[in-house]
Parts: sequence; structure tokens; C-alpha cells
Amino acid sequence: GAVVSQHPSWVICKSGTSVKIECRSLDFQATTMFWYRQFPKQSLMLMATSNEGSKATYEQGVEKDKFLINHASLTLSTLTVTSAHPEDSSFYICSARLQGTGVSYEQYFGPGTRLTVT
Amino acid sequence: AQSVTQLDSQVPVFEEAPVELRCNYSSSVSVYLFWYVQYPNQGLQLLLKYLSGSTLVKGINGFEAEFNKSQTSFHLRKPSVHISDTAEYFCAVSARNNDMRFGAGTRLTVKP
Repeated sequence: GAVVSQHPSWVICKSGTSVKIECRSLDFQATTMFWYRQFPKQSLMLMATSNEGSKATYEQGVEKDKFLINHASLTLSTLTVTSAHPEDSSFYICSARLQGTGVSYEQYFGPGTRLTVT
Repeated sequence: AQSVTQLDSQVPVFEEAPVELRCNYSSSVSVYLFWYVQYPNQGLQLLLKYLSGSTLVKGINGFEAEFNKSQTSFHLRKPSVHISDTAEYFCAVSARNNDMRFGAGTRLTVKP
């Protein structure tokens, strides 16, 4: 149980275009989802926290107008990288937290999306 | 806010040797602690977690970790490693209803 999927697993796009990445919790409902980015040989850096039905909370230094996050349902959050540039090339990972478990605050991670901007 | 320090960026060991990956955390409130493993171009896989109760936590693939509150540590251990354990390992901390913070990662390389 507690499986999170991401789509696509990898994407190559041209500079200036926009890319949408989907994050789905397959067998549970998640009130909260998180978006991370990871540069090669580095740790995960939290970009934003999204709660279903409300605006995402962005970490300091993350441009909210560039990284649009939508959490339209309890099983789906999307990250859109707008006007992508080569420096946006990275590994993007989402995670989802179980709703109302009251037991743990474990996050379940998706397999990641490799974005390459040419 | 919570923070995590992984004391070793790289740990090379020979196959069948024991290994310890060190993790220290900082927090003013009670925390939950996690160890994740990441293989190249993949997401994170949970190895084990400490929520409460017994301080010795056993996880998958023969790994275990011990929560030491006085030393604010959560070191990961395995008595005998395999080549397939070569990967990046992340220690993470989370407080109730807060987001998760990750350490910088430790690259474990198991040599034949």
C-alpha cells in the first residue's frame, strides 16, 4: 500500500516551454503533498508544500510564478515548470502524506521525474 | 525548525564488512526519524523509521538504527553489507505536522 506515482518519469523540453509533472497517490488519500528537487549528487530540497484545495506554500527562494503547483484532489498534485530554462534541469520528486492517520507523519515518495531543458 | 547532519559524505567498505552511517539531528520538539535509500535515477525507498517506543529499530534489507535522544543521533547500521547495498542513503527528520528535512546524504560504496 501507500504507492505514489509520477508522470512522466523523464522529459526533455526546449528552453522557454512549460512542462507539467503529475504526482498521484494510488491507493490512499493525501491531504498534503510535497515537491522536492534534487541536483546531481545532492540532497532533496523542499520546494513547496501543497494542501488539497488551497494554495501551495513555497519555500524561501522558490519562485511561485515559475513553479506552479495545483493540488486539485486528494490524490493528485501537479507541478508546472513555466518558461523552463536549462538551469531548471533537475530531478523532481513528490511525496504524499497519509490523511488523518494520527499515527505517523511518514511521507511516501514518488519515483521522480528527470527534467532536461535544452 | 529541525535539521539533520549526516557526518560522512562517502563511506567505502568491503563486501561482508559491517557499516555504520551516522546521523545527528537538531530539534526543540519531539521528532520522527527516518532513513531512506536512493538508487540512481530512482525515488526514495524507506529503510526504517523511528516514531516512538523501542529505540532500536529494524528495517528492510537487514538494516537497523538506534535512536539516542541524549546524543540526538540516529545512526544506521548493517552487520554485513552486500554489493547491492551500494547507494545513497538519506537521514530525515520530521516533527508532528511539519515537513521533512533531509541530511546531505551518504554515498555507501561496497567493494568486492
